[in-house]
Amino acid sequence: DAKTTQPNSMESNEEEPVHLPCNHSTISGTDYIHWYRQLPSQGPEYVIHGLTSNVNNRMASLAIAEDRKSSTLILHRATLRDAAVYYCIPMEYGNKLVFGAGTILRVKS
Amino acid sequence: GAVVSQHPSWVICKSGTSVKIECRSLDFQATTMFWYRQFPKQSLMLMATSNEGSKATYEQGVEKDKFLINHASLTLSTLTVTSAHPEDSSFYICSASSVTSTDTQYFGPGTRLTVL
Repeated sequence: DAKTTQPNSMESNEEEPVHLPCNHSTISGTDYIHWYRQLPSQGPEYVIHGLTSNVNNRMASLAIAEDRKSSTLILHRATLRDAAVYYCIPMEYGNKLVFGAGTILRVKS
Repeated sequence: GAVVSQHPSWVICKSGTSVKIECRSLDFQATTMFWYRQFPKQSLMLMATSNEGSKATYEQGVEKDKFLINHASLTLSTLTVTSAHPEDSSFYICSASSVTSTDTQYFGPGTRLTVL
């Protein structure tokens, strides 16, 4: 499993963009980069995933470095409901998710 | 779409009893279901992977005789914690991947188990 490094915590103001970084320098060529988030006392929620190209969906954008050794999850306008632990997980297609410590995102009103 | 439910949402039991937790995919068929455990202020730890009709694959260090997993259909998996002890108190979370989208996991809301 590829090792990941994420900041322990980050803080953002409401309505502002948030960039959550993740380093995964040991990622293999077939690993997709998955992002999940977990709100307090809930199960994780899928956010987005990608392989090489940048990806967008209704929740977020995922910017993947050209060498794939890092990626950034972008929340375009943070709301209080986005306060959660965000997990970056490289995973080979069809394999299992291995959760690290993640980044605690705090959103200030 | 892609909703996973768990029942019960919380349970309190006496030491030595067994507890069954159900995980259901409500609007899709799940080829694979996963069971995780999460202690306070820690990350999720994968316990086992189960495929419908097959024996579960347990992660290293997880006792298969203590944590019985049954995956009888494409929409239901159960985890039974046998002879529960206080150290088994935890947040148990299941997830499922669908036959049409095996690279995304959909998680249940979790079950809080407290063993007295």
